[in-house]
Amino acid sequence: DAMVIQNPRYQVTQFGKPVTLSCSQTLNHNVMYWYQQKSSQAPKLLFHYYDKDFNNEADTPDNFQSRRPNTSFCFLDIRSPGLGDAAMYLCATSRDLTKREQFFGPGTRLTVL
Amino acid sequence: DQQVKQNSPSLSVQEGRISILNCDYTNSMFDYFLWYKKYPAEGPTFLISISSIKDKNEDGRFTVFLNKSAKHLSLHIVPSQPGDSAVYFCAAQGRSGGSNYKLTFGKGTLLTVNP
Repeated sequence: DAMVIQNPRYQVTQFGKPVTLSCSQTLNHNVMYWYQQKSSQAPKLLFHYYDKDFNNEADTPDNFQSRRPNTSFCFLDIRSPGLGDAAMYLCATSRDLTKREQFFGPGTRLTVL
Repeated sequence: DQQVKQNSPSLSVQEGRISILNCDYTNSMFDYFLWYKKYPAEGPTFLISISSIKDKNEDGRFTVFLNKSAKHLSLHIVPSQPGDSAVYFCAAQGRSGGSNYKLTFGKGTLLTVNP
């Protein structure tokens, strides 16, 4: 089945220690998104890639970076995690920017000690 | 400032009855609305959507109603089943293409359907 896969499902890191979250997709979609969802909050878009074109949301902290080495993979790098970065991180895809529906992975729950 | 609001954090209904989940929005540039369902330890799954040119969209047991003048939409589930128990997110998008692709989510409503 075509799907969006996120690894790891649970990640524990220490305050200030860089961490990388991974997303892969078998849908062959052009657009990949990263959302952050804190407890009892709405998911919030951090950035997206349209093919190799990176688009950052205006209020995404500089601490967050992303890489997309090819169509299938996208990484979220948190350079110096703080306690406030503990959240669920959701990866999503869409065929292109004109297609409204987004397909989500299961998420990675990040804990910062 | 929340542009999409789901004012009921939780809702409990009996199996076989109707579940009605509500959503309000403030941004008049939104022209497409989606409902996602989320089970614990899984990502949100697309359920149903509606364009602003319509006021109703139906898919099996699920119907979404849109009242543009009130900036309000609702999701009706009839009949409700225990397997429908999940968190339901309302999401909105601006005009297709350009920079208005992004989903703006509400905080979600936890639906519990009791057998």
